[in-house]
Amino acid sequence: EAQVTQNPRYLITVTGKKLTVTCSQNMNHEYMSWYRQDPGLGLRQIYYSMNVEVTDKGDVPEGYKVSRKEKRNFPLILESPSPNQTSLYFCASSFPGDPYNEQFFGPGTRLTVL
Amino acid sequence: RKEVEQDPGPFNVPEGATVAFNCTYSNSASQSFFWYRQDCRKEPKLLMSVYSSGNEDGRFTAQLNRASQYISLLIRDSKLSDSATYLCVVNDPGDYKLSFGAGTTVTVRA
Repeated sequence: EAQVTQNPRYLITVTGKKLTVTCSQNMNHEYMSWYRQDPGLGLRQIYYSMNVEVTDKGDVPEGYKVSRKEKRNFPLILESPSPNQTSLYFCASSFPGDPYNEQFFGPGTRLTVL
Repeated sequence: RKEVEQDPGPFNVPEGATVAFNCTYSNSASQSFFWYRQDCRKEPKLLMSVYSSGNEDGRFTAQLNRASQYISLLIRDSKLSDSATYLCVVNDPGDYKLSFGAGTTVTVRA
């Protein structure tokens, strides 16, 4: 089944404790991205990657890191989480190039930073 | 000013009714437009792309008005299963960043 998976789905952590949210897709998509969704603000892009070893900042990259060592995986790293990073996070993937490409989203990770 | 703005609603409509709502975008050079559907904080899923000439997919009709910089979504013969949040998405030329609206919530009641 074609899908984007994220782990963990739910996470409660404390300020300053490094964490990684994994994202994996099995559709051979070149393009992957991370979004956060907050009430009233919609989805905001954190980072995106056009292909292996190619990443770029989105609208809200501060406090986050990513890596793209393999085509299928795009982990999101919070080196020192803070309460303002409490949010719902989505990973997405698609084929780039065609402007009408569908974005396939993972199921989301609900993160709470205390 | 937000790049993409939507009326948050909620739009509460009876089954069988027609409901329509708009989304405005700020960049006149924006090139690609989409409507995504999101159920109760689950992942967004593509509902339909919006083409310059307007397009229809079953009970759903999307329109683009470039002069006034808005897109619209119309749902005919509403079903209970249409209850969801509809996200407007805009892509600028030469840019792989998508701009999402905050969503319009539609609730269809029996």
